[in-house]
Amino acid sequence: GQSLEQPSEVTAVEGAIVQINCTYQTSGFYGLSWYQQHDGGAPTFLSYNALDGLEETGRFSSFLSRSDSYGYLLLQELQMKDSASYFCAVTNQAGTALIFGKGTTLSVSS
Amino acid sequence: GAVVSQHPSWVICKSGTSVKIECRSLDFQATTMFWYRQFPKQSLMLMATSNEGSKATYEQGVEKDKFLINHASLTLSTLTVTSAHPEDSSFYICSAQQGNYGYTFGSGTRLTVV
Repeated sequence: GQSLEQPSEVTAVEGAIVQINCTYQTSGFYGLSWYQQHDGGAPTFLSYNALDGLEETGRFSSFLSRSDSYGYLLLQELQMKDSASYFCAVTNQAGTALIFGKGTTLSVSS
Repeated sequence: GAVVSQHPSWVICKSGTSVKIECRSLDFQATTMFWYRQFPKQSLMLMATSNEGSKATYEQGVEKDKFLINHASLTLSTLTVTSAHPEDSSFYICSAQQGNYGYTFGSGTRLTVV
C-alpha cells in the first residue's frame, strides 16, 4: 500500500522560510502533490511534481527526488495566513484517488 | 476552473437516523468521485471511490452497508450515513478529478451525531 511520512508540527515567524519534508512508500508512483488546508476548510492544491527537481509557484516551491522517495514543500516569506495544515499526497495503487500523509501543522507567529 | 459543490456544510442528527451528503461537479462531468473522512487534527482518509453508473469501491475497513454511495449521474454523487452513531461524527469531504487538471475538493460536511 501507500504510506507517507511528514513532520507533525512546524513553527516559524513571519518572513521566515520553512521546509516541510515528505517521504513515501508506494506501489506505483505517479507523482507527489501538496495541499493546504485551513481549519474547517477544504484542501486546496499547492503543487505537483511528477519528475525530479524543483517546481516554483510564487512563494511556494516543491521538490522531488524519486530515487530517494522524498520530496519537500518550501514556503518562503511566511505570512500569518500561511498557518494551516499541509499534506503531501500520492495516488493509490489504482492510480485514481489521492492518499494523504498525516499532515504538518504550520504555525506562523509575528 | 473545476468547482465541486458539497451540501450540507454541516448537519446535526440524532443517533440511529440517516444523513445524506451531496457532492456535485458544477462545471464538468465527473465519472469518478472520491469520499474522504477526516477526524479532528488528523489526515483525510479515503473511504470509497464512487463510479458513475456502477458500484462504489470501498477501502478496507469501511462498511459499505453503513456508508451508502450512489453516483447516478455524471455530476452527482451522494453519501448516506445510515443508522448514524456518535462515532460517525466527523468531517466528510468529496473530491473529483477533471481530466489532467488535478483533484478538486468540496467544502466538506461536518456531521455531528447526538
